[in-house]
Amino acid sequence: DTEVTQTPKHLVMGMTNKKSLKCEQHMGHRAMYWYKQKAKKPPELMFVYSYEKLSINESVPSRFSPECPNSSLLNLHLHALQPEDSALYLCASSQVLERTDRGQFFGPGTRLTVL
Amino acid sequence: SQQGEEDPQALSIQEGENATMNCSYKTSINNLQWYRQNSGRGLVHLILIRSNEREKHSGRLRVTLDTSKKSSSLLITASRAADTASYFCATAPPGGSRLTFGEGTQLTVNP
Repeated sequence: DTEVTQTPKHLVMGMTNKKSLKCEQHMGHRAMYWYKQKAKKPPELMFVYSYEKLSINESVPSRFSPECPNSSLLNLHLHALQPEDSALYLCASSQVLERTDRGQFFGPGTRLTVL
Repeated sequence: SQQGEEDPQALSIQEGENATMNCSYKTSINNLQWYRQNSGRGLVHLILIRSNEREKHSGRLRVTLDTSKKSSSLLITASRAADTASYFCATAPPGGSRLTFGEGTQLTVNP
């Protein structure tokens, strides 16, 4: 299984809602990533988990809260978002954080709209 | 911050023609990777070239790397309509950890 899955595909939420994005991989990868991508722009790194521990937080606002319950799952909890947070949220995984020579595997993304 | 720049920003060609995209970067790298993204979808890893390599091939893809100029190019030969997508280069620093993506090239292949 060489796939990264993400749910939901689309999410519309109000600024007072709480929601979660979910990501799953069964490739035995020990590094997992959250990216945010605006239209016609490259992905921007948000968080990196290595061996289920938060390794990198790119100064992301606290209204985004990541969680890695086990080596296969990665969640992104959303609370009190702003309309400018509307974007495509991409999850990715790689074998281990320090080995970049195998590339990253991306999920299809969750299209988030904040009203 | 993004260290990669790609040109052109957009490229439109006819099916069967070759497409060349360029990527420049600013700092030392361990490797450089190219990804494809179909509209609104996830990125797909295409090819990786290490800092000690100058050229690499994979099917219809050819990538070159010039570390003295801090630049790379991706050539897609005999393009197809299905190659229509955005193409991003991404650099990995020595010591690993994170990728830094370029701004991307939007390629349109007309049937």
